[in-house]
Amino acid sequence: DTGVSQDPRHKITKRGQNVTFRCDPISEHNRLYWYRQTLGQGPEFLTYFQNEAQLEKSRLLSDRFSAERPKGSFSTLEIQRTEQGDSAMYLCASSFSAGQYFGPGTRLTVT
Amino acid sequence: DQQVKQNSPSLSVQEGRISILNCDYTNSMFDYFLWYKKYPAEGPTFLISISSIKDKNEDGRFTVFLNKSAKHLSLHIVPSQPGDSAVYFCAGTDYGGATNKLIFGTGTLLAVQP
Repeated sequence: DTGVSQDPRHKITKRGQNVTFRCDPISEHNRLYWYRQTLGQGPEFLTYFQNEAQLEKSRLLSDRFSAERPKGSFSTLEIQRTEQGDSAMYLCASSFSAGQYFGPGTRLTVT
Repeated sequence: DQQVKQNSPSLSVQEGRISILNCDYTNSMFDYFLWYKKYPAEGPTFLISISSIKDKNEDGRFTVFLNKSAKHLSLHIVPSQPGDSAVYFCAGTDYGGATNKLIFGTGTLLAVQP
């Protein structure tokens, strides 16, 4: 299966700790997106990369959040000084054209 | 403001009948729409899409209809199967824009009863 993969699938952390998630997109896809989904809501856009360039960041992405895609392949999303409000499913998607293909997500729980 | 709205949080249908899921949008810049299916603890799975230059797109048991004047789209599943039970999200995007980020509705939970 050469779909989008994300690691880890689940992360439990204590408030104030830093966490980092990884996304491996479909290999030929040059576009990569991060979304966040909370209970009862649809996924909300966080940030977008075209190749290695981060071209858009949502206002949801506070200064504690940073994302990289250093070689235009995999991407990481780091959250510093986690807060309970950061608890959510973090989804990565990749695309080559119109359709976006999602990974399984990383479920973050901040205690 | 919520640019994509799915006003029915849930829908229950009998196996073999038609499921109709509805979605409304407010952003006139949206010119491409997608439906995703999501099981618990999994990422959304792409189902079907439609460009604003069309009013219908069909793929097997799934058909999406777009009414641009009403800013409304619907997903028809026929016949419905128990395996279709999931949360369905519609999403819109400005395909001519810089990022093609998706704006999602809040989802409709479909339960198909055997």
